Amino acid sequence: DQQVKQNSPSLSVQEGRISILNCDYTNSMFDYFLWYKKYPAEGPTFLISISSIKDKNEDGRFTVFLNKSAKHLSLHIVPSQPGDSAVYFCAANRAYNAGGTSYGKLTFGQGTILTVHP
Amino acid sequence: DAGITQSPRHKVTETGTPVTLRCHQTENHRYMYWYRQDPGHGLRLIHYSYGVKDTDKGEVSDGYSVSRSKTEDFLLTLESATSSQTSVYFCAISSQLSNQPQHFGDGTRLSIL
Repeated sequence: DQQVKQNSPSLSVQEGRISILNCDYTNSMFDYFLWYKKYPAEGPTFLISISSIKDKNEDGRFTVFLNKSAKHLSLHIVPSQPGDSAVYFCAANRAYNAGGTSYGKLTFGQGTILTVHP
Repeated sequence: DAGITQSPRHKVTETGTPVTLRCHQTENHRYMYWYRQDPGHGLRLIHYSYGVKDTDKGEVSDGYSVSRSKTEDFLLTLESATSSQTSVYFCAISSQLSNQPQHFGDGTRLSIL
């Protein structure tokens, strides 16, 4: 049961253009969403997050959009740079389980390989 | 960068042998996690800890056990390694259980022949 899905295994973009990475989720209990970037032979690095009470969060070249009704989030990178070439994972967190205690486990998508060409 | 060290970084072993992976943190964070990364699956949670000697199972915990005797160390043990446990293993830490990002170590690449 894949609760978080990234349906595009790869994305290729020209330097300077916008990169848009997409992520869909099925569990309406998720209330905190994150994007991680991963280079080969390194661990995932936190990039940006958004709480379910917001629909947009911006940090420099990176913006995350959340559409709760569609259960969809996206990461926009503008402008894209060759150094942005990496695997990008979206992840979702559920703060509280049905019993009311904090849950906090991250559920990850499969990842999207972004390649930015010079 | 968060102070997380995983050891070993690479290991090759044979089916049926026990294997222990170590995660060491210098951030004094309460929460620690073990994930495995496999093609087509992203990262999947194996076990996590919410304090010394307090651990719980994740979504893929079969065949794995964990221990946390000190705040800074979280050990993952494969009691009898199988080829299906060949993977890259990541440790993560966080200061809060929710609404805070987890920070990851650089991983251990484990090959079981």
